[in-house]
Amino acid sequence: SQQGEEDPQALSIQEGENATMNCSYKTSINNLQWYRQNSGRGLVHLILIRSNEREKHSGRLRVTLDTSKKSSSLLITASRAADTASYFCATGRAAGNKLTFGGGTRVLVKP
Amino acid sequence: ETGVTQSPTHLIKTRGQQVTLRCSSQSGHNTVSWYQQALGQGPQFIFQYYREEENGRGNFPPRFSGLQFPNYSSELNVNALELDDSALYLCASSLTLTQVGTEAFFGQGTRLTVV
Repeated sequence: SQQGEEDPQALSIQEGENATMNCSYKTSINNLQWYRQNSGRGLVHLILIRSNEREKHSGRLRVTLDTSKKSSSLLITASRAADTASYFCATGRAAGNKLTFGGGTRVLVKP
Repeated sequence: ETGVTQSPTHLIKTRGQQVTLRCSSQSGHNTVSWYQQALGQGPQFIFQYYREEENGRGNFPPRFSGLQFPNYSSELNVNALELDDSALYLCASSLTLTQVGTEAFFGQGTRLTVV
């Protein structure tokens, strides 16, 4: 079973627009990570946010974490066609990185 | 590039056969985790190896087994293959630190098709 649930399941936007996706989880966590996957290949790590952090930025990415609501959001600003991919959140409950993934959000950025 | 390499990239096997998938972890990492990703779904945790010992297992039957070698590379073995084992198998390399979660870096995966 998957702990995280991403919302929406699919998102279609124009280049230059912002893309926001959300992740909810069920149990307490040590950290939450976001990954990108292109065309069913390997996962690319985007950002890790620890349970004691509320917001984190990396380039055009902004991640928030609300542990009271057991939810996180990923914002991609000024999207590009190259951002077209599936995005997954994954929660880690301990230091050992046994990650539990959600079902992913498929993002299509149209040029 | 993450520095995590998996082989082979694609594989076709017949139901009932056995398969071995390989993973070389990133330099400096001591932990390897394996995930199964069915089409259209998120990855599912199979098991993890830390310093050559199994360190946690997901909801997978015993016919899924693994090894980690002294150089921290790893193998995933699946016996008695079933059609439902067809999936992308992902290896993730990370550094386990006490009390601190760290990034996991994934290889490109092995696409297994069971016919």
